[in-house]
Amino acid sequence: SQTIHQWPATLVQPVGSPLSLECTVEGTSNPNLYWYRQAAGRGLQLLFYSVGIGQISSEVPQNLSASRPQDRQFILSSKKLLLSDSGFYLCASQTGGAKNIQYFGAGTRLSVL
Amino acid sequence: SQQGEEDPQALSIQEGENATMNCSYKTSINNLQWYRQNSGRGLVHLILIRSNEREKHSGRLRVTLDTSKKSSSLLITASRAADTASYFCATDQGAQKLVFGQGTRLTINP
Repeated sequence: SQTIHQWPATLVQPVGSPLSLECTVEGTSNPNLYWYRQAAGRGLQLLFYSVGIGQISSEVPQNLSASRPQDRQFILSSKKLLLSDSGFYLCASQTGGAKNIQYFGAGTRLSVL
Repeated sequence: SQQGEEDPQALSIQEGENATMNCSYKTSINNLQWYRQNSGRGLVHLILIRSNEREKHSGRLRVTLDTSKKSSSLLITASRAADTASYFCATDQGAQKLVFGQGTRLTINP
């Protein structure tokens, strides 16, 4: 099965500072990759997904961007964080086929103060 | 919204009892999946049921799917304290992505 590495686990950043969250995947190749945000006690909001290197689909217009410089690397970025960017960020990987099962990283809890 | 709805939002039962969670969705699907999330952690896939299946079992889990009503249920039998977590349904509607529900927060009291 796949292993999804996310770091850092916790991050506290001031408003207006930049952000870079990294996600790497082991155990598969050519995965679809996803960034989700989860507010406390709520469901998952899909932010971005990628079906290949350099291919990014944005689901929600916002202050964030994503990049996929390598097959198994997915990066979430912001030039200037807002208070509303606080939340729990999850990276997920999905390998194609009949079963679109997603494997998740452990998440990054971001607090923007 | 394309997101599914789950009910109840929160469920608290005694250890040993059965827990039932429901999920409704709005569009046609290829399959429906259930995931579990322990507090502060990532989601873990539990079980998948295809659109042409009506019931599926995995250990203490039983999932049903009614495509005419666009609904699914997850039953956890003989619950344990370790089952305490949030449970999410997710629908595969094609387009390379899943649509997650808002989740049910399950608490098992010892």
